[in-house]
Amino acid sequence: GQSLEQPSEVTAVEGAIVQINCTYQTSGFYGLSWYQQHDGGAPTFLSYNALDGLEETGRFSSFLSRSDSYGYLLLQELQMKDSASYFCAVGNQGGKLIFGQGTELSVKP
Amino acid sequence: DADVTQTPRNRITKTGKRIMLECSQTKGHDRMYWYRQDPGLGLQLIYYSFDVKDINKGEISDGYSVSRQAQAKFSLSLESAIPNQTALYFCATSQTGSSDTQYFGPGTRLTVL
Repeated sequence: GQSLEQPSEVTAVEGAIVQINCTYQTSGFYGLSWYQQHDGGAPTFLSYNALDGLEETGRFSSFLSRSDSYGYLLLQELQMKDSASYFCAVGNQGGKLIFGQGTELSVKP
Repeated sequence: DADVTQTPRNRITKTGKRIMLECSQTKGHDRMYWYRQDPGLGLQLIYYSFDVKDINKGEISDGYSVSRQAQAKFSLSLESAIPNQTALYFCATSQTGSSDTQYFGPGTRLTVL
């Protein structure tokens, strides 16, 4: 079967750094993606890792370790607008994405 | 204009009714997907289509059907709606070979009474 685990909630203060972890079990793994969703709105793509290592896009970075079936999303210089749900998703050979249940990030002043 | 549009945005219906949700895209992508999201949960794949002649079941296809009328249009039907199909429904698209990067529509909030 396929499954992903990520924390259900994370709280941090404005300006801080937060890391959202994701562990997965899947067959035919192609890559790990991260999506952001504000309050029931459309999920939006943040980043994708197919190979081990860190990918940086502005304040957001994503890391993958294929040998550990583990990845994380790192958000730096947190802003209030970063309060949202963050989903990790694994892609497989079938061209589908399997999503985790999401981590709700609350950024406090 | 939005690249991926969904109609209706909100719908309230009764048990047993047939409902169709529509999705259109102007991104020129071949691949289209329908997802369901329940409160506090992730996205579950209902059906997906890699081109007009290709339709595949996802994780939770029971009680749903789809039609890919054109490259740009992919509709989802609930033949006989039931209350536990109350959820937020999203359509998404992606380019062939880039299925990890999906572009989502604004969603349809469906309530079945």
